[in-house]
Amino acid sequence: GAGVSQSPSNKVTEKGKDVELRCDPISGHTALYWYRQSLGQGLEFLIYFQGNSAPDKSGLPSDRFSAERTGGSVSTLTIQRTQQEDSAVYLCASSTDGSRSEQYFGPGTRLTVT
Amino acid sequence: DAKTTQPPSMDCAEGRAANLPCNHSTISGNEYVYWYRQIHSQGPQYIIHGLKNNETNEMASLIITEDRKSSTLILPHATLRDTAVYYCIVSLRSNDYKLSFGAGTTVTVRA
Repeated sequence: GAGVSQSPSNKVTEKGKDVELRCDPISGHTALYWYRQSLGQGLEFLIYFQGNSAPDKSGLPSDRFSAERTGGSVSTLTIQRTQQEDSAVYLCASSTDGSRSEQYFGPGTRLTVT
Repeated sequence: DAKTTQPPSMDCAEGRAANLPCNHSTISGNEYVYWYRQIHSQGPQYIIHGLKNNETNEMASLIITEDRKSSTLILPHATLRDTAVYYCIVSLRSNDYKLSFGAGTTVTVRA
């Protein structure tokens, strides 16, 4: 079956511009996660959505970052006024509610802020 | 959360079994052992998980010791495409969702 998809695969943007990253989770997965991974670094949790519950935004690094999940499926991560330190690979994952540690990741979006 | 210890690297010959060890001596009774891997320039990939019993799926086998203080991930017939960093983590299956990987084991499969 179809896995998690993300778009775009690569994004180059100028400092100060806004960007939107998209994630399509696996059909039927109620939980959706965003992480980022800087070069050679580990996973950094950003945000978690579960059904209609309020999302866990505890990992968002600043108020320039926001995310929404429409209709319990597709999610968009928005970064406003991008900075060079935002350059990273942004990863989306999804899971069933009962197996939140069993996450299926998309290929990621590589964001480069120049 | 229990911490895990893995060797930093290991080599494996193509076609042979790769046995990846993981120590998790402080694991609690309701924590599962999970294995993920990350191939270069790709997102992490879930491999397998288990609680007490040995588990097998199309990718690998997981052997957990009786005292649950260590486990071994077995790739039965390693291929060049199995070259990746392999991560062993322990977590509560339905409660822990902020995945965090340690350094993992860099596995290089050689022809």
